[in-house]
Amino acid sequence: DTAVSQTPKYLVTQMGNDKSIKCEQNLGHDTMYWYKQDSKKFLKIMFSYNNKELIINETVPNRFSPKSPDKAHLNLHINSLELGDSAVYFCASSQEGLQGASNYGYTFGSGTRLTVV
Amino acid sequence: AQSVAQPEDQVNVAEGNPLTVKCTYSVSGNPYLFWYVQYPNRGLQFLLKYITGDNLVKGSYGFEAEFNKSQTSFHLKKPSALVSDSALYFCAVRDRRDDKIIFGKGTRLHILP
Repeated sequence: DTAVSQTPKYLVTQMGNDKSIKCEQNLGHDTMYWYKQDSKKFLKIMFSYNNKELIINETVPNRFSPKSPDKAHLNLHINSLELGDSAVYFCASSQEGLQGASNYGYTFGSGTRLTVV
Repeated sequence: AQSVAQPEDQVNVAEGNPLTVKCTYSVSGNPYLFWYVQYPNRGLQFLLKYITGDNLVKGSYGFEAEFNKSQTSFHLKKPSALVSDSALYFCAVRDRRDDKIIFGKGTRLHILP
């Protein structure tokens, strides 16, 4: 069983389109994240949700809108896609969250490679 | 705000030799520190972490890292490199008061046969 799964794995679309990327985790984690990895491999956090509540919203254009229907899912919707949105988007989850303390790192999905043409 | 620096874009090591991938960090409080590895066209895989306790942390695939508070460093090491260790390595830090992990820019490790 895949712990954190993202769909689709590849997405090629034209400028101006609207697209969604889905993420699901079966680890029972409380917190989920979206990261963007650009062409230089730099990883930058975009959003974080804890139990369906938005807790981190970095400086991201409002064309990007995360949605968390339940704590096992965090989807990313992107409106009016631009060339600069081309990147690999990683979903991740972790057990701690606002409760802080205990430890640990994230479990990552395998990524969605978005290409805007 | 926390930050992570990986000063080397690329490290080349001959197979069988020891390897070190450098990482320094900056946080206002006590850090959680992590190393992740990314193989081509794959997601990030957790290697090891420092939370508290022994400064020398052992992780997956024979890797270890040493937490040095005075130098604010968390360098990744392995006594004997394998060609299969070739990948992109990310150091990451989390301030214990914050909920997000900040990643370094990554270091590409090439192990030469």
